[in-house]
Amino acid sequence: NAGVMQNPRHLVRRRGQEARLRCSPVKGHSHVYWYRQLPEEGLKFMVYLQKENIIDESGMPKERFSAEFPKEGPSILRIQQVVRGDSAAYFCASSPDRGNTEAFFGQGTRLTVV
Amino acid sequence: DQQVKQNSPSLSVQEGRISILNCDYTNSMFDYFLWYKKYPAEGPTFLISISSIKDKNEDGRFTVFLNKSAKHLSLHIVPSQPGDSAVYFCAARPYNFNKFYFGSGTKLNVKP
Repeated sequence: NAGVMQNPRHLVRRRGQEARLRCSPVKGHSHVYWYRQLPEEGLKFMVYLQKENIIDESGMPKERFSAEFPKEGPSILRIQQVVRGDSAAYFCASSPDRGNTEAFFGQGTRLTVV
Repeated sequence: DQQVKQNSPSLSVQEGRISILNCDYTNSMFDYFLWYKKYPAEGPTFLISISSIKDKNEDGRFTVFLNKSAKHLSLHIVPSQPGDSAVYFCAARPYNFNKFYFGSGTKLNVKP
């Protein structure tokens, strides 16, 4: 019973490069969420996806950020042309379809832009 | 638009005493509430939850209270232990949408 798996755990990118963060949800979970935590701040919602659909992307910056959750494979959060301000911990969570159950979080990807 | 608020960024408590963490919400559509604990460099882990049909849920040293009329919930930890030192997030989900809204967190420090 693997939990939410995120990789890589740490990612260093130079300004202007692309960052790709991967998230494999708990087996059987069809809802995926991405959150960002800036230093000394709380969890900021970015995007909520179901298989092949973006349900709510109200927390995503309008430019450079995109997310997908394909029919097969992990969810991907892509940040193009990274800037220093993108340095943060990015957490993915997943939840099942129904019922009062919690969202399960991964260990996060710590992105550092140099 | 912060629909879930934790107004105390930090709390310090002596070991063995009670820790009370508070959370307020504004959306009357929320019907499921959760508390998560987060250690540095780790992902948040689920602690305890409560449905809106209840006003109290207990799990060992952890109890969550829900006051729907005041739109307020609290987490009580009794007795507090040094290992409880972490950041605690409260979260809420509306009944008609599978999205979790998080507060900004309260950093709990339990002193030995």
